[in-house]
Amino acid sequence: NAGVTQTPKFRVLKTGQSMTLLCAQDMNHEYMYWYRQDPGMGLRLIHYSVGEGTTAKGEVPDGYNVSRLKKQNFLLGLESAAPSQTSVYFCASSFLLANQETQYFGPGTRLLVL
Amino acid sequence: DQQVKQNSPSLSVQEGRISILNCDYTNSMFDYFLWYKKYPAEGPTFLISISSIKDKNEDGRFTVFLNKSAKHLSLHIVPSQPGDSAVYFCAASGFGATNKLIFGTGTLLAVQP
Repeated sequence: NAGVTQTPKFRVLKTGQSMTLLCAQDMNHEYMYWYRQDPGMGLRLIHYSVGEGTTAKGEVPDGYNVSRLKKQNFLLGLESAAPSQTSVYFCASSFLLANQETQYFGPGTRLLVL
Repeated sequence: DQQVKQNSPSLSVQEGRISILNCDYTNSMFDYFLWYKKYPAEGPTFLISISSIKDKNEDGRFTVFLNKSAKHLSLHIVPSQPGDSAVYFCAASGFGATNKLIFGTGTLLAVQP
């Protein structure tokens, strides 16, 4: 039982390049999330999904797209990377029990955009 | 507008003493609160939670207190150990957040041996 895994762990991009971050969970969770963490900003929600085939915008969605084609996978895409997207990206998954949600996080992807 | 606030960016405590981490929130619709712990180069891990119907929840060395009238919660760690040194995030959810977690900015706890 690996929990939540993220690929890659670290990546360097040039401005304008594109890439996809992969998140996988083996806990059969319905909900999945992408966050970014920046110094002094805490964790900010980029996009989330409440089930296979559904996605929704979070707090900071601009410049990112997501897809949830399979229940266990949640992809985060950067179509044209910008230096402002340099950050640490965390994926999380959860089940919702009686309106009380506990999210389980992956180890993170560190992205540097030059 | 930050709905969940951790006003202390850092805290230093001696080993064996009590660590108290604080968190304030502004949205009265929040009804579930969590604390996460994060080590460098790792993802946050769930530590302890509390529902708004309670004012205290205890798990071993960790206790979370909730003061709804003051919109304040705190995490007590007793006794503190060097392995507790990490960043602690407070998070909240409820109808006001449409079941999504809203995180504070984190407090870096350093437990000195």
